[in-house]
Amino acid sequence: GESVGLHLPTLSVQEGDNSIINCAYSNSASDYFIWYKQESGKGPQFIIDIRSNMDKRQGQRVTVLLNKTVKHLSLQIAATQPGDSAVYFCAETGEIATDSWGKFQFGAGTQVVVTP
Amino acid sequence: NAGVTQTPKFQVLKTGQSMTLQCAQDMNHNSMYWYRQDPGMGLRLIYYSASEGTTDKGEVPNGYNVSRLNKREFSLRLESAAPSQTSVYFCASLRIAGVGDTQYFGPGTRLTVL
Repeated sequence: GESVGLHLPTLSVQEGDNSIINCAYSNSASDYFIWYKQESGKGPQFIIDIRSNMDKRQGQRVTVLLNKTVKHLSLQIAATQPGDSAVYFCAETGEIATDSWGKFQFGAGTQVVVTP
Repeated sequence: NAGVTQTPKFQVLKTGQSMTLQCAQDMNHNSMYWYRQDPGMGLRLIYYSASEGTTDKGEVPNGYNVSRLNKREFSLRLESAAPSQTSVYFCASLRIAGVGDTQYFGPGTRLTVL
């Protein structure tokens, strides 16, 4: 079946450096993608999203890039801070107004560890 | 505005016992979801409700039932708990907006089945 997955299970980043977290997806019909941050003992928290008609979207210190040709999604965190230490998940869902809309599929997650 | 709330936060059951996990959202969202998260893994969809009055199976529905009581509330029931259902359960609701669609999660229910 279709799947969403991550390349790296753990990413160690020095404070102040930029982080890049990658995600591969296999469903070419995926239309909407979300990055979540999950801190220990808490529920996932929305970070940023992107639709398939875009290739880049920026938020506060975060940028999501979408490469539909190779079905790849990435999250860039600028000037990584200790508070960025968490597990990051990508999730995808199908095209709006189709049966696959809203059925989010999540990747396994990447643990980001920020070192001083 | 509390967002998505879940009760209980923790629960220990014996094999064969039943229980209902409660979820409520105060954001007037149409869609609601139940996920489970096992150690070191991502979230897997159990059931979802696209709108009040409708429910659909997700990836791992076996052993669970759901009720969309009204627009605010979406409950998950374990009729006969099994150790394999030991997990953290998250409820979520979905907003559909012009710019982007945002899925909000509750704090989770940590369930242990002995």
